[in-house]
Amino acid sequence: QVQLVQSGGELRKPGASVTVSCKASGYIFRTHDLSWVRQAPGQGLEWMGWISGYDGNTEYAQKFRGRVTMTTDPSTSTAYMELRGLRSHDTAVYFCARTSKQLDRRFDTWGQGTLVTVAS
Amino acid sequence: DIQMTQSPSSLSATVGDRVTITCRAGQSVSSYLNWYQQKPGKAPKLLIYDGVTLESGVPARFSGSGSGTDFSLTISSLQPEDFATYYCHQTYTTPWTFGRGTQVEIK
Repeated sequence: QVQLVQSGGELRKPGASVTVSCKASGYIFRTHDLSWVRQAPGQGLEWMGWISGYDGNTEYAQKFRGRVTMTTDPSTSTAYMELRGLRSHDTAVYFCARTSKQLDRRFDTWGQGTLVTVAS
Repeated sequence: DIQMTQSPSSLSATVGDRVTITCRAGQSVSSYLNWYQQKPGKAPKLLIYDGVTLESGVPARFSGSGSGTDFSLTISSLQPEDFATYYCHQTYTTPWTFGRGTQVEIK
């Protein structure tokens, strides 16, 4: 079955960086894109950007440009999201989500989430 | 950015009730509107895409309607496992945006 498994929770100090991984299985990696979405404690969902599983093309939300980098390793079907210059309000659960290449661009499978805590 | 406004923000309902959640987009999103269900501590789960298409494996008591700016998600007969938060999500144009969620609670 299609599955996305993310790396474990992280604790970082303000100003540091964090990288979250998302390993895909159960489908051909290059046939879908992957989006990253975050959810601050008790809050809603916020889209951060997407990366192509085919050629690594990316599109980032304006809010995160210059601070986020999304990459993939097709040899291991793994996507990565690096967020730099962390601040306390970056404390959130970060999700990866398989994204259809069809026009609807639906997020049909999600990772379990990775809690990133930013605290001094 | 396209703002997605959900209503109500929360509701209380009883098992067996018919429940409708609405989502209004700040501009037309055509039919590129998805609905997700999220339970506490879990990832969201896709219920409906293209405004009206039921995702495989999702019970038929869930249905979606609408196009353009006005959409709704209906649960025809609420079941105990349906108590959760529901989000609408537009993928018409980036940045893809979500509604703030509707929490469905037990009355």
